[in-house]
Amino acid sequence: RKEVEQDPGPFNVPEGATVAFNCTYSNSASQSFFWYRQDCRKEPKLLMSVYSSGNEDGRFTAQLNRASQYISLLIRDSKLSDSATYLCVVNTGRRALTFGSGTRLQVQP
Amino acid sequence: NAGVMQNPRHLVRRRGQEARLRCSPMKGHSHVYWYRQLPEEGLKFMVYLQKENIIDESGMPKERFSAEFPKEGPSILRIQQVVRGDSAAYFCASSPGGVDEKLFFGSGTQLSVL
Repeated sequence: RKEVEQDPGPFNVPEGATVAFNCTYSNSASQSFFWYRQDCRKEPKLLMSVYSSGNEDGRFTAQLNRASQYISLLIRDSKLSDSATYLCVVNTGRRALTFGSGTRLQVQP
Repeated sequence: NAGVMQNPRHLVRRRGQEARLRCSPMKGHSHVYWYRQLPEEGLKFMVYLQKENIIDESGMPKERFSAEFPKEGPSILRIQQVVRGDSAAYFCASSPGGVDEKLFFGSGTQLSVL
């Protein structure tokens, strides 16, 4: 089993749609969780941290389910500019963060 | 307020040559991480360094790859005798603290081996 697993997609959604991605992690002792965004051939950029109680930043909502060992990202009212690859990132017990392979989102007009 | 600086942006080498990739962390950051991204794949951790120390190199290939972060100057990822399979994007990231801190990435170095 991979340490951090994501559905690669692509998710093709129309503008204005709501879309959700899930990510599972294998180490139940993991404490830190993040979502990063990566545009084609560019560096990853932090989108948001994920807190135990769940957190929201504008159209983006992140949730953590420790019992089932997954985190989720919900994007409401999708924009064309949301098209990117979304990376689930977890502290899996190593000394560096572990990145999932990413979920590709394509928002269509 | 410079971010993480990597150079060169693009590096072309022939098989058997050496590649040197440089990374200057954000001001105030003492933790540097190197990740490699192969085409159509995710980022794979390579090495984690602090000034003058390699903290974790569990992701580094056993041969040909080395990294350093000297007291003065940038962190260097060195690949000796490059092969075509080394072609990838190499990203450097820095953070102010340890593994639970957010990472700030440089623009990456795209290495192409002919």
